[in-house]
Amino acid sequence: QKEVEQNSGPLSVPEGAIASLNCTYSDRGSQSFFWYRQYSGKSPELIMFIYSNGDKEDGRFTAQLNKASQYVSLLIRDSQPSDSATYLCAARLQNEKLTFGTGTRLTIIP
Amino acid sequence: DAMVIQNPRYQVTQFGKPVTLSCSQTLNHNVMYWYQQKSSQAPKLLFHYYDKDFNNEADTPDNFQSRRPNTSFCFLDIRSPGLGDAAMYLCATRRGLANEKLFFGSGTQLSVL
Repeated sequence: QKEVEQNSGPLSVPEGAIASLNCTYSDRGSQSFFWYRQYSGKSPELIMFIYSNGDKEDGRFTAQLNKASQYVSLLIRDSQPSDSATYLCAARLQNEKLTFGTGTRLTIIP
Repeated sequence: DAMVIQNPRYQVTQFGKPVTLSCSQTLNHNVMYWYQQKSSQAPKLLFHYYDKDFNNEADTPDNFQSRRPNTSFCFLDIRSPGLGDAAMYLCATRRGLANEKLFFGSGTQLSVL
């Protein structure tokens, strides 16, 4: 079982709609969770991190964490074409390593 | 201003010819990481340093070595590159184990001919 799992997509969302990206993790001891955006050929850039159950909002982005279900999500409101990228979910495991999922490719359709 | 700098941006080497990738940081961060990312795959952790303490992932091939001569610099040495080692190599830093944010460099895209 992979430590961090994501649906690889592609996920297509109309411009202006809400994009919903999901991630599950296997290690119940995971401490913190991260969403990175990665454009093709570029390095990952941090969008948000979350470590408490519930929602965390930052502008158009909302991260949601449910530790009981071992589930993390990222919502992008008012999606823009510039949001088209691969979104990587990562979990900081008990041994301090940051482990990434394979990413979900998101396409915003104008 | 770039805070984690990787050189070169693109590197081409020949099968079996040793190659070194470099990373430098201006952040004075304690922790440095090397990740390997192949096309459409997750970044895979190869090594990390906490100051000079070196941590090698169990599944990192012996062909890969790393050096951190000081806080600012870290090197990835591939002793005998194979075709399967072609990938993006990402360097990242973190201020300390209690600090969450990872700062990535722009990566080095390695091609093996």
